[in-house]
Amino acid sequence: AQSVTQLGSHVSVSEGALVLLRCNYSSSVPPYLFWYVQYPNQGLQLLLKYTSAATLVKGINGFEAEFKKSETSFHLTKPSAHMSDAAEYFCAVTLAGGTSYGKLTFGQGTILTVHP
Amino acid sequence: SQTIHQWPATLVQPVGSPLSLECTVEGTSNPNLYWYRQAAGRGLQLLFYSVGIGQISSEVPQNLSASRPQDRQFILSSKKLLLSDSGFYLCAWSPWGQGGYEQYFGPGTRLTVT
Repeated sequence: AQSVTQLGSHVSVSEGALVLLRCNYSSSVPPYLFWYVQYPNQGLQLLLKYTSAATLVKGINGFEAEFKKSETSFHLTKPSAHMSDAAEYFCAVTLAGGTSYGKLTFGQGTILTVHP
Repeated sequence: SQTIHQWPATLVQPVGSPLSLECTVEGTSNPNLYWYRQAAGRGLQLLFYSVGIGQISSEVPQNLSASRPQDRQFILSSKKLLLSDSGFYLCAWSPWGQGGYEQYFGPGTRLTVT
């Protein structure tokens, strides 16, 4: 079975500072990994995905994430935070193969606060 | 392009009343469909998923049920709501089985059971 751990339920940064949201996964087989963003009272929006191609994945809104197999990590970064980045972020994992049916296992989420 | 709709957007229901939440997807065929519940401070909980018409798998035993009467329609139901059913319900679709593994979410339904 796979699992995801997001380190830090709350992260606070200043506008213009680096954003780093941490995600570690556990999987017995190569995983597919995702980051989602959720604004208050809205659904989840896909930021980026890793599906065994390039290990450095670029997503929307200037975010990127790097898959590091040796560290079982998939941390999300953005060089310069913007006020509009304030939201909750979820890391998720699924497995390739017929028995996963695309089911995602989510981390508990990290709330990002951006200070002016 | 594909879009996913959920309604209603908000719902306030008394304990013991029935529930029906609807989700529809446009612009794709034979998607996998999923229902999640997001309770305050508890992350996302997968409730049901479906790989085809009439095919429903339950992840968590509870008083909720799901149905898929058409390829792109997914319905979440209950005969008698409990207080603990309150939460934010999210529907999602995936192109799994067609080479994609990501899920795309609807706008959600906020359910308050009083």
